[in-house]
This record gives sequence, C-alpha cells and structure tokens, in this order.
Amino acid sequence: SQTIHQWPATLVQPVGSPLSLECTVEGTSNPNLYWYRQAAGRGLQLLFYSVGIGQISSEVPQNLSASRPQDRQFILSSKKLLLSDSGFYLCAWSVLGSGSNEQFFGPGTRLTVL
Amino acid sequence: AQSVTQPDIHITVSEGASLELRCNYSYGATPYLFWYVQSPGQGLQLLLKYFSGDTLVQGIKGFEAEFKRSQSSFNLRKPSVHWSDAAEYFCANSGAGSYQLTFGKGTKLSVIP
Repeated sequence: SQTIHQWPATLVQPVGSPLSLECTVEGTSNPNLYWYRQAAGRGLQLLFYSVGIGQISSEVPQNLSASRPQDRQFILSSKKLLLSDSGFYLCAWSVLGSGSNEQFFGPGTRLTVL
Repeated sequence: AQSVTQPDIHITVSEGASLELRCNYSYGATPYLFWYVQSPGQGLQLLLKYFSGDTLVQGIKGFEAEFKRSQSSFNLRKPSVHWSDAAEYFCANSGAGSYQLTFGKGTKLSVIP
C-alpha cells in the first residue's frame, strides 16, 4: 500500500531563517506531487506541483521554492522566511495520468515563523 | 475557471442528529468530485468520490453524497452524527486531465453531546 510521510511535524523558525520541508511517498512510482499551504481560517492554497523529477510548476508567486530531486521526494524550501509563511503545509500525491486527479495527503507540517 | 462553494462556514449539530453539508461546483463538463475530512492538526482524508455512474455514492464512516447535475451540487450527508465526526470538511473538484484539485473553503462541523 502507498504511504506519504512529511517531516518535520512541527517547526518554529525566526523570520529571515531558511526552510526545508520534506515529503516522501512509498509504494508507488512516478506520482504527481503537490505542496499546499493552509493558513488559519482559510482553505487550501496550492503552492507547487510536479509531474516528474525536476519538473516543478508554481501556482503563486512567493518566496518559497520546491524541488523534486528523486521520483518520490518533494522538498519545499525558502531562503528567508517571512511572518506570512506561517501555516500548515500539506504534501499530496496522485497517480500520474489517472485523469481524475484523486489526491492523497500527508500528515502535514505546522510551521510557525516568529 | 473552476470553483467550489461551500456556503456554510460552521455548522453545529447534536449527536445523533442528521447532517447535510452543502457543496456547489462550477464546471462545464462532468466533474470529478470529492469530499475530504480534516481533524485538527491532521492531513486530509478522502471520504468519498464521484466520477460517473450512480449519482449516490457511499463513503467511509457512514457518509454518502449525491451528485445533482441540475443543481451543480454534491452535498454530503450522514443520517446520525457521532461526536467523532467533529472536524472540517472540504469539497473539491477536478476536470478531466487536470493536474489540480479545486477546493472549497471548508465547513467546520461541531457536535454537541
């Protein structure tokens, strides 16, 4: 069966510090991968998605970036965090070419920027 | 552009009462429709999905949803709510061949003992 992992689960970082969040998927190959942010009281905002190694599409301009160094690894980064980067970050995957885009979510990372 | 509307931000029901959460979508062709549930501090769990066929779909935890094309709706129902159903519920849709899900803003469900 497929599983998706995210770490760390919780992170507190000062403004201006770098960020690296990691997501890995097990039990499937060539998945589509996604990063979402969920701010307090708001819905899910799609940040990035990837259909293959090294292929990243950005949905919103921001100081965040994403990379996919391996087939089942997706990394969210920032060189300098802003207060507005605080939120709950969710990674998700879907089957490449499934058509329906049914997505499966990880447990999330709670990021607090102080 | 696709959009999903969940008109109720917060709903409170008594334990044992029936529940209906509303969802309206905007998409020209037949959409793929989903309901997800999120407990506090957790990721999203898929409750059920509609792709085609029978318009009444059954999901996990006793939930069901009905696709009504004429009303562009995909409302989630449960006949008897349990205290453990307290969570936030998200409706989402996707078009054929799309890489993205479009989410509603969510409905928070509170359950009174």
